[in-house]
Parts: sequence; structure tokens; C-alpha cells
Amino acid sequence: AQKITQTQPGMFVQEKEAVTLDCTYDTSDPSYGLFWYKQPSSGEMIFLIYQGSYDQQNATEGRYSLNFQKARKSANLVISASQLGDSAMYFCAMRELDYGGSQGNLIFGKGTKLSVKP
Amino acid sequence: DTEVTQTPKHLVMGMTNKKSLKCEQHMGHRAMYWYKQKAKKPPELMFVYSYEKLSINESVPSRFSPECPNSSLLNLHLHALQPEDSALYLCASSQGAGSYEQYFGPGTRLTVT
Repeated sequence: AQKITQTQPGMFVQEKEAVTLDCTYDTSDPSYGLFWYKQPSSGEMIFLIYQGSYDQQNATEGRYSLNFQKARKSANLVISASQLGDSAMYFCAMRELDYGGSQGNLIFGKGTKLSVKP
Repeated sequence: DTEVTQTPKHLVMGMTNKKSLKCEQHMGHRAMYWYKQKAKKPPELMFVYSYEKLSINESVPSRFSPECPNSSLLNLHLHALQPEDSALYLCASSQGAGSYEQYFGPGTRLTVT
């Protein structure tokens, strides 16, 4: 079963507007972390934001915020005031901790390609 | 400094060649990773080194051979590759067990002819 689902293969947004990229996940582990990465055409994966499963507050990092709805198992990325440089592929990812406390693999969704229009 | 460096940036090699990809980090991270990424796909984990020991090998063919000479360096030795091995190879590091964020390098674009 797919653990990370990103249902939007591509999105367009007007410069200076906000955009939400969807991510849903599936896990039975109570302890996990959720991540968003940005990958420009140059190829580098840039870490954007992290949300822990026990965090009470939604994570924010500058123009990025993570809308974490635990009961719905969703972790949507909100980018405010889009810029042309935000055009890239965005990956949602999850990491589980097993009951032994060791680190699981980072599992990626298929990604959403965001294009910012001037 | 959250930088992971990778060399070379681009590599073209024949199927009989032997080459190596290099990755370096100076963040004191004790876990390092190799990923393979085909075009328009998410990265796929290949290997994980934790405290310089190979902890995960995701059933990768033996023509890929990882090496971790010390806590800052990670190599991927390539031998007798196939054209389908052409991809972006990404290195990443994280603080280690219990730490979540992985920091990625810029990748090496490999073409096998």
C-alpha cells in the first residue's frame, strides 16, 4: 500500500498568491515524522519543513507552513506569497520509528510539480 | 553549515568502466545515505551507513559498491553498469539514530552508454 500520496502531479499558482500542496500518509506507527522537500531542476533536494507526530503546533518556516491534520492523516504544505523561484518539484516524505526506537527509511511521495506564473 | 557536497556533478561512463561517486559532509552527521532517482520519480533508497557501518542495503545489485572510509566521506563504486542505471544519484546525511532531517547533496547525474 502506498504510504505517502500526493494527488496533484502538477499545480499552477500566480506569483504572490498562496498555494497548498496536498499530502496524505498511511501508518500504524504512533511515532513518525513528516517532511517536505523542494527539488529544483538542478536536482538538489532542499529540506523545507518538518512535523513530528507528537507536535501540537503546526510547523512553520518562513513562507512555508505545514497544515497537519493527524486524524485525517494529512500534512499539506502551504506556501505563502509565491515567488518565481518556488517553481520546482515538491516531495512529501515520512519517516517511521519502530517500537525499538530505531530510525526507519524516508518514504517519498511521487511529488507535485509547482509552476509559478508571473 | 548544512552542506553536503558531491563529485562529480556529471558522469558519462561506458558499461565496462569503473568509476566512483564521492560524497562529503562536515556537519558531524553519523548517518549517510545513497539514493537513486530516475526522471520524474521520487528518490529510491539504496544504502544507509550508520556510524560508518552499512546498516541498510535495499537489494541493490553488486555492480554498485558503497564505501564509508570515515564519518565524513561516502563513496559509491560503480562497475559494469547498465544503461538503465542512468539516473541522478543523491547523497544525504543526518545526525543519526533518532534524528529526522536528511540533508541532501546536489547529486551526480550519471549516464551509462
